[in-house]
Amino acid sequence: EAQVTQNPRYLITVTGKKLTVTCSQNMNHEYMSWYRQDPGLGLRQIYYSMNVEVTDKGDVPEGYKVSRKEKRNFPLILESPSPNQTSLYFCASSLGPSTGELFFGEGSRLTVL
Amino acid sequence: DQQVKQNSPSLSVQEGRISILNCDYTNSMFDYFLWYKKYPAEGPTFLISISSIKDKNEDGRFTVFLNKSAKHLSLHIVPSQPGDSAVYFCAASAWGSQGNLIFGKGTKLSVKP
Repeated sequence: EAQVTQNPRYLITVTGKKLTVTCSQNMNHEYMSWYRQDPGLGLRQIYYSMNVEVTDKGDVPEGYKVSRKEKRNFPLILESPSPNQTSLYFCASSLGPSTGELFFGEGSRLTVL
Repeated sequence: DQQVKQNSPSLSVQEGRISILNCDYTNSMFDYFLWYKKYPAEGPTFLISISSIKDKNEDGRFTVFLNKSAKHLSLHIVPSQPGDSAVYFCAASAWGSQGNLIFGKGTKLSVKP
C-alpha cells in the first residue's frame, strides 16, 4: 500500500529537549515536504526536499532542521523545541513539485510545554 | 500577506444539494491549483486540480472552476453527501517555485442528512 508514515503520531515534550519526527514514504517519490497546521493559519510549509541531499526552506523554517540522506526518509528535527512549535505536523511526498499532488502522512501532534 | 484566501471558515449544506467552496488568490504567477480534503485525525488527501490553461475540470461529483481574470476558483460538489463533510483546502503553486505549494486556511463543510 502506497503511504507516507510519520512517527510519533503524538508527543508531549518540554522546552529545549531535542526531538525528531520521522517520515518515510514507499512510493519512490523524489519530492518530500513538511507542513505545520495551526488553527486559523492553514497549512504552512516548513522545509522541502527535491531529492537526496537537496533541501530548502519553506515559509516557516525557523527552529527546524531536516535531512535527506535516503530517498524514502525525510526527518524533521527540532533541536531546541519551544512552545510556539506546538502544532500538528504533516509530512508529504510527490513525484515532483510541479505535479502538486502531494500524498500526506497522517500527522504528528506535538505539544511543547 | 495571504496569497491564497478561503474567506468562508465554514459551510453547511443539505444532503443532495450543491456545495460551492470558494478560493481567491493574489499571485498572478500561480499556474496550478488544487483542492485537498481533510478528515479529522487524518492527513489531507488530494481531490482535484486544474491548470491555468483550463477554466474547468470535472471528476465525478466534483468540478473545479477557474476564473483567471478574477483570480478566483471554486469547487462544486453535486450532489453533496454526508461523507463529504470535511475541511477543504485550496492550494496553488507557481512553475519554478521549487515545490512551495501555498495553502488556504480551509473551509469546513458540513453536509446534513
